[in-house]
Amino acid sequence: EAGVAQSPRYKIIEKRQSVAFWCNPISGHATLYWYQQILGQGPKLLIQFQNNGVVDDSQLPKDRFSAERLKGVDSTLKIQPAKLEDSAVYLCASSLSGREITDTQYFGPGTRLTVL
Amino acid sequence: AQSVTQLGSHVSVSEGALVLLRCNYSSSVPPYLFWYVQYPNQGLQLLLKYTTGATLVKGINGFEAEFKKSETSFHLTKPSAHMSDAAEYFCAVSGWDDKIIFGKGTRLHILP
Repeated sequence: EAGVAQSPRYKIIEKRQSVAFWCNPISGHATLYWYQQILGQGPKLLIQFQNNGVVDDSQLPKDRFSAERLKGVDSTLKIQPAKLEDSAVYLCASSLSGREITDTQYFGPGTRLTVL
Repeated sequence: AQSVTQLGSHVSVSEGALVLLRCNYSSSVPPYLFWYVQYPNQGLQLLLKYTTGATLVKGINGFEAEFKKSETSFHLTKPSAHMSDAAEYFCAVSGWDDKIIFGKGTRLHILP
């Protein structure tokens, strides 16, 4: 079974530039999550999708971050414009249904973003 | 609201020695508790989880954790460390809102 795919693996940009990350979840998984992991901290949930609808985006900085999951499969997370404090690893995860907390979340390898 | 405290950002143990990674949680409702492992340049992988029932939970790679409600703890142990156990370990908690809150992580170093 293929895992969660993310690209690119690494990205270096200058502040005020825009950047986009892509995630392809495990086939058949209805729920998709984007997390931000700043160096030295645990992952923090940015947004959760159930199929193509947003379940929770309370911690997404909506003035600069946006995400979509068209057709309920793969997803894109965008930052525009980027700030220095956005330097982090962006993790995508998916789970089968997401309706039960006991559903295991499967994580991709992440995209390491460096903002100069 | 839930929160997690992992004691020690770095822990070193000798190969073959006991591994003990400490985690304390705070939760206003009965918690669900998790341990994840993250190897270099990889995503997080679930080691084990406690939902209800037996308080001693066995996971992959020989790890186990015990839920102690009176101590609000969920420490991770492994009887004998292996070099391949070197990684970062995250304790996490969730309540009825289904949102997982992660701790800051503990990096485990294995000494030969």
